[in-house]
Amino acid sequence: DTGVSQDPRHKITKRGQNVTFRCDPISEHNRLYWYRQTLGQGPEFLTYFQNEAQLEKSRLLSDRFSAERPKGSFSTLEIQRTEQGDSAMYLCASSLQGKDGYTFGSGTRLTVV
Amino acid sequence: RKEVEQDPGPFNVPEGATVAFNCTYSNSASQSFFWYRQDCRKEPKLLMSVYSSGNEDGRFTAQLNRASQYISLLIRDSKLSDSATYLCVVNRYSSASKIIFGSGTRLSIRP
Repeated sequence: DTGVSQDPRHKITKRGQNVTFRCDPISEHNRLYWYRQTLGQGPEFLTYFQNEAQLEKSRLLSDRFSAERPKGSFSTLEIQRTEQGDSAMYLCASSLQGKDGYTFGSGTRLTVV
Repeated sequence: RKEVEQDPGPFNVPEGATVAFNCTYSNSASQSFFWYRQDCRKEPKLLMSVYSSGNEDGRFTAQLNRASQYISLLIRDSKLSDSATYLCVVNRYSSASKIIFGSGTRLSIRP
Protein backbone atom coordinates (compact mmCIF):
# COMPACT_ATOMS: atom_id res chain seq x y z
CA ASP A 1 0.00 0.00 0.00
CA THR A 2 1.60 3.24 -1.13
CA GLY A 3 -0.62 5.63 0.81
CA VAL A 4 -3.73 7.60 -0.04
CA SER A 5 -4.48 7.80 -3.76
CA GLN A 6 -6.65 10.40 -5.44
CA ASP A 7 -7.88 10.47 -8.96
CA PRO A 8 -7.74 12.51 -11.12
CA ARG A 9 -4.82 14.76 -10.19
CA HIS A 10 -6.21 17.61 -12.24
CA LYS A 11 -9.64 18.36 -13.61
CA ILE A 12 -10.71 21.28 -15.79
CA THR A 13 -14.42 21.56 -16.32
CA LYS A 14 -16.90 24.07 -17.67
CA ARG A 15 -19.25 25.82 -15.32
CA GLY A 16 -22.43 23.86 -14.87
CA GLN A 17 -20.89 20.44 -15.46
CA ASN A 18 -20.78 17.67 -12.86
CA VAL A 19 -17.49 16.24 -11.66
CA THR A 20 -16.60 13.23 -9.53
CA PHE A 21 -13.38 12.58 -7.67
CA ARG A 22 -12.18 9.35 -6.17
CA CYS A 23 -10.10 8.63 -3.10
CA ASP A 24 -8.54 5.32 -2.11
CA PRO A 25 -7.41 5.44 1.53
CA ILE A 26 -4.75 3.39 3.25
CA SER A 27 -6.35 -0.03 3.43
CA GLU A 28 -6.35 -0.49 7.20
CA HIS A 29 -7.63 3.05 7.89
CA ASN A 30 -11.31 3.13 8.78
CA ARG A 31 -11.70 6.91 8.73
CA LEU A 32 -11.72 8.98 5.57
CA TYR A 33 -11.90 12.76 5.26
CA TRP A 34 -12.45 15.27 2.52
CA TYR A 35 -10.97 18.77 2.71
CA ARG A 36 -10.91 21.69 0.30
CA GLN A 37 -8.02 24.11 0.01
CA THR A 38 -7.85 27.40 -1.84
CA LEU A 39 -4.76 29.48 -2.48
CA GLY A 40 -3.28 30.99 0.66
CA GLN A 41 -5.64 29.15 2.98
CA GLY A 42 -5.37 26.03 5.07
CA PRO A 43 -7.46 22.99 4.21
CA GLU A 44 -11.14 23.38 5.17
CA PHE A 45 -13.03 20.38 6.45
CA LEU A 46 -15.86 19.12 4.22
CA THR A 47 -16.93 15.72 5.54
CA TYR A 48 -15.74 12.50 7.09
CA PHE A 49 -16.62 8.83 7.17
CA GLN A 50 -16.05 6.12 9.67
CA ASN A 51 -16.23 2.94 7.66
CA GLU A 52 -19.23 3.50 5.37
CA ALA A 53 -21.06 5.92 7.69
CA GLN A 54 -20.85 9.64 6.95
CA LEU A 55 -20.53 11.06 10.45
CA GLU A 56 -20.17 14.76 9.86
CA LYS A 57 -20.71 17.27 7.07
CA SER A 58 -19.53 20.85 7.05
CA ARG A 59 -21.87 23.71 6.26
CA LEU A 60 -19.45 24.34 3.39
CA LEU A 61 -20.90 21.24 1.76
CA SER A 62 -23.82 22.67 -0.13
CA ASP A 63 -26.58 20.61 -1.72
CA ARG A 64 -24.49 20.42 -4.88
CA PHE A 65 -21.88 18.34 -3.08
CA SER A 66 -22.29 14.70 -2.17
CA ALA A 67 -19.84 12.17 -0.85
CA GLU A 68 -20.12 8.44 -0.54
CA ARG A 69 -18.11 5.57 0.80
CA PRO A 70 -20.34 2.65 -0.07
CA LYS A 71 -18.24 -0.27 1.10
CA GLY A 72 -16.11 1.47 3.67
CA SER A 73 -13.13 1.48 1.36
CA PHE A 74 -12.79 4.07 -1.44
CA SER A 75 -14.82 7.25 -1.45
CA THR A 76 -16.20 9.54 -4.13
CA LEU A 77 -16.94 13.25 -3.95
CA GLU A 78 -19.33 14.60 -6.55
CA ILE A 79 -19.96 18.24 -7.32
CA GLN A 80 -23.03 18.98 -9.40
CA ARG A 81 -23.53 22.11 -11.50
CA THR A 82 -20.02 23.34 -10.80
CA GLU A 83 -19.41 27.04 -10.19
CA GLN A 84 -16.21 29.04 -10.53
CA GLY A 85 -16.04 29.29 -6.75
CA ASP A 86 -15.63 25.52 -6.60
CA SER A 87 -12.15 25.84 -8.08
CA ALA A 88 -9.80 24.52 -5.41
CA MET A 89 -7.64 21.61 -4.37
CA TYR A 90 -9.74 18.76 -2.99
CA LEU A 91 -7.77 16.73 -0.50
CA CYS A 92 -8.60 13.32 0.86
CA ALA A 93 -7.06 11.94 4.04
CA SER A 94 -7.39 8.76 6.03
CA SER A 95 -6.66 7.73 9.59
CA LEU A 96 -7.12 4.86 11.95
CA GLN A 97 -9.61 5.39 14.76
CA GLY A 98 -7.80 6.03 18.02
CA LYS A 99 -4.56 7.00 16.34
CA ASP A 100 -3.35 10.51 15.82
CA GLY A 101 -2.15 11.67 12.47
CA TYR A 102 -3.80 11.82 9.11
CA THR A 103 -2.25 10.77 5.83
CA PHE A 104 -3.22 12.96 2.93
CA GLY A 105 -3.44 12.11 -0.72
CA SER A 106 -1.87 14.35 -3.36
CA GLY A 107 -5.20 16.00 -4.01
CA THR A 108 -7.36 16.72 -7.04
CA ARG A 109 -6.97 20.23 -8.41
CA LEU A 110 -10.26 21.41 -9.87
CA THR A 111 -10.48 24.37 -12.21
CA VAL A 112 -13.93 25.54 -13.27
CA VAL A 113 -13.88 27.77 -16.35
CA ARG B 1 -13.12 34.63 14.40
CA LYS B 2 -11.33 31.60 12.98
CA GLU B 3 -10.95 28.63 15.28
CA VAL B 4 -7.22 28.40 14.57
CA GLU B 5 -5.24 31.54 13.76
CA GLN B 6 -1.71 31.92 12.46
CA ASP B 7 0.44 34.76 11.24
CA PRO B 8 0.53 34.16 7.46
CA GLY B 9 4.06 35.55 7.12
CA PRO B 10 6.03 35.28 4.98
CA PHE B 11 8.99 34.83 7.28
CA ASN B 12 12.18 35.32 5.30
CA VAL B 13 15.25 34.29 7.30
CA PRO B 14 18.86 33.40 6.48
CA GLU B 15 20.07 29.85 6.54
CA GLY B 16 21.21 28.87 10.01
CA ALA B 17 18.83 31.23 11.80
CA THR B 18 16.34 30.26 14.46
CA VAL B 19 12.71 31.01 13.68
CA ALA B 20 9.56 30.60 15.73
CA PHE B 21 5.87 30.56 14.85
CA ASN B 22 2.89 30.86 17.13
CA CYS B 23 -0.66 29.73 16.63
CA THR B 24 -3.73 30.45 18.74
CA TYR B 25 -6.89 28.38 19.02
CA SER B 26 -10.26 29.49 20.29
CA ASN B 27 -11.87 26.26 21.50
CA SER B 28 -10.67 25.51 25.02
CA ALA B 29 -11.97 21.94 24.67
CA SER B 30 -9.34 21.17 22.03
CA GLN B 31 -7.44 18.04 22.89
CA SER B 32 -4.77 17.32 20.31
CA PHE B 33 -2.41 19.61 18.49
CA PHE B 34 -0.11 19.18 15.54
CA TRP B 35 2.15 20.96 13.12
CA TYR B 36 1.92 19.98 9.48
CA ARG B 37 4.25 21.05 6.71
CA GLN B 38 3.03 21.78 3.20
CA ASP B 39 5.29 22.33 0.23
CA CYS B 40 4.09 24.36 -2.72
CA ARG B 41 1.31 22.53 -4.60
CA LYS B 42 1.76 19.41 -2.46
CA GLU B 43 -0.35 17.79 0.21
CA PRO B 44 0.14 18.54 3.94
CA LYS B 45 2.39 16.16 5.81
CA LEU B 46 2.56 15.63 9.55
CA LEU B 47 5.65 17.32 10.98
CA MET B 48 5.06 16.63 14.65
CA SER B 49 2.47 16.26 17.33
CA VAL B 50 2.46 18.78 20.17
CA TYR B 51 2.31 17.48 23.72
CA SER B 52 1.50 19.32 26.93
CA SER B 53 5.03 18.82 28.21
CA GLY B 54 6.53 20.12 24.98
CA ASN B 55 8.47 17.95 22.60
CA GLU B 56 11.51 18.08 20.41
CA ASP B 57 12.41 16.33 17.19
CA GLY B 58 15.89 17.20 16.02
CA ARG B 59 15.95 20.88 15.14
CA PHE B 60 12.22 21.27 15.76
CA THR B 61 10.63 22.05 19.14
CA ALA B 62 6.90 22.32 19.76
CA GLN B 63 5.28 23.82 22.84
CA LEU B 64 1.69 23.96 24.05
CA ASN B 65 0.29 26.57 26.43
CA ARG B 66 -3.23 25.52 27.34
CA ALA B 67 -3.84 28.47 29.65
CA SER B 68 -3.21 30.96 26.87
CA GLN B 69 -4.47 28.62 24.14
CA TYR B 70 -1.49 28.79 21.87
CA ILE B 71 1.06 26.45 20.42
CA SER B 72 4.45 27.25 19.02
CA LEU B 73 7.01 25.77 16.69
CA LEU B 74 10.71 26.60 16.92
CA ILE B 75 13.12 25.71 14.15
CA ARG B 76 16.82 25.91 14.98
CA ASP B 77 19.70 26.03 12.49
CA SER B 78 17.27 26.46 9.61
CA LYS B 79 18.03 24.80 6.29
CA LEU B 80 17.05 25.79 2.77
CA SER B 81 14.87 22.67 2.72
CA ASP B 82 12.80 24.04 5.60
CA SER B 83 11.18 26.51 3.19
CA ALA B 84 7.50 25.60 3.20
CA THR B 85 4.16 26.55 4.72
CA TYR B 86 3.66 25.39 8.29
CA LEU B 87 0.09 24.58 9.25
CA CYS B 88 -1.12 24.62 12.84
CA VAL B 89 -3.71 21.91 13.42
CA VAL B 90 -6.14 21.33 16.27
CA ASN B 91 -8.35 18.37 17.10
CA ARG B 92 -11.21 18.85 19.53
CA TYR B 93 -11.38 15.26 20.59
CA SER B 94 -8.94 12.90 22.20
CA SER B 95 -9.03 10.45 19.32
CA ALA B 96 -8.61 11.23 15.67
CA SER B 97 -11.69 12.82 14.22
CA LYS B 98 -11.91 15.95 12.19
CA ILE B 99 -8.99 18.29 12.52
CA ILE B 100 -9.06 22.03 12.00
CA PHE B 101 -6.26 23.77 10.12
CA GLY B 102 -4.94 27.25 10.45
CA SER B 103 -4.24 29.20 7.27
CA GLY B 104 -0.54 28.46 7.52
CA THR B 105 2.65 30.43 7.99
CA ARG B 106 4.96 30.72 4.99
CA LEU B 107 8.65 30.34 5.69
CA SER B 108 11.36 31.11 3.19
CA ILE B 109 14.99 30.36 4.01
CA ARG B 110 17.56 32.33 2.00
CA PRO B 111 21.16 31.24 1.41
